[in-house]
Amino acid sequence: EAGVTQFPSHSVIEKGQTVTLRCDPISGHDNLYWYRRVMGKEIKFLLHFVKESKQDESGMPNNRFLAERTGGTYSTLKVQPAELEDSGVYFCASSNRGVYNEQFFGPGTRLTVL
Amino acid sequence: GESVGLHLPTLSVQEGDNSIINCAYSNSASDYFIWYKQESGKGPQFIIDIRSNMDKRQGQRVTVLLNKTVKHLSLQIAATQPGDSAVYFCAEIPSNDYKLSFGAGTTVTVRA
Repeated sequence: EAGVTQFPSHSVIEKGQTVTLRCDPISGHDNLYWYRRVMGKEIKFLLHFVKESKQDESGMPNNRFLAERTGGTYSTLKVQPAELEDSGVYFCASSNRGVYNEQFFGPGTRLTVL
Repeated sequence: GESVGLHLPTLSVQEGDNSIINCAYSNSASDYFIWYKQESGKGPQFIIDIRSNMDKRQGQRVTVLLNKTVKHLSLQIAATQPGDSAVYFCAEIPSNDYKLSFGAGTTVTVRA
């Protein structure tokens, strides 16, 4: 069974540009999460989808970040316009229904904003 | 009184020795705790978990200890191997929540 996949693996953009990250969760997982790790610090929660609905977006930094999960399958995270402080590694995770089900992480997208 | 293990950002261990990684968590309402291992270029990978109604749980070469009184979590790795070199994160989930709150991470380097 394929794990969580993310695209691209790396992205280098200039400040002010737009970038869209994609996450394909494990097939059948209703829960999808975005996290990010900035500058070697701890991994922080961004938001949580249950199917196509945003369950919790309390971790989204500001309105330059927009996440979607149309159809309840893959998800995209768009940053527009990107700022220097957005650089980091963006992880996606998915899990089955239920609170304590293991979250499986993708390999991450390393975003560098110059 | 109880001693609380200090969280260290890095840990260097001789191959074959045991490793102990410490983590202090902040939310007394947290109900579920997980240790993740992150290798270079990969996402965090589940190692072992423990619920708040337990003090200790063992897996293959790993043991997690939970001290709710001082809000402390530790991961013990027996007979550390070169493949154990990675960044280790503790994470907590409060009751009735889904999102993981991660600790700062400890980079473990295994010396041959």
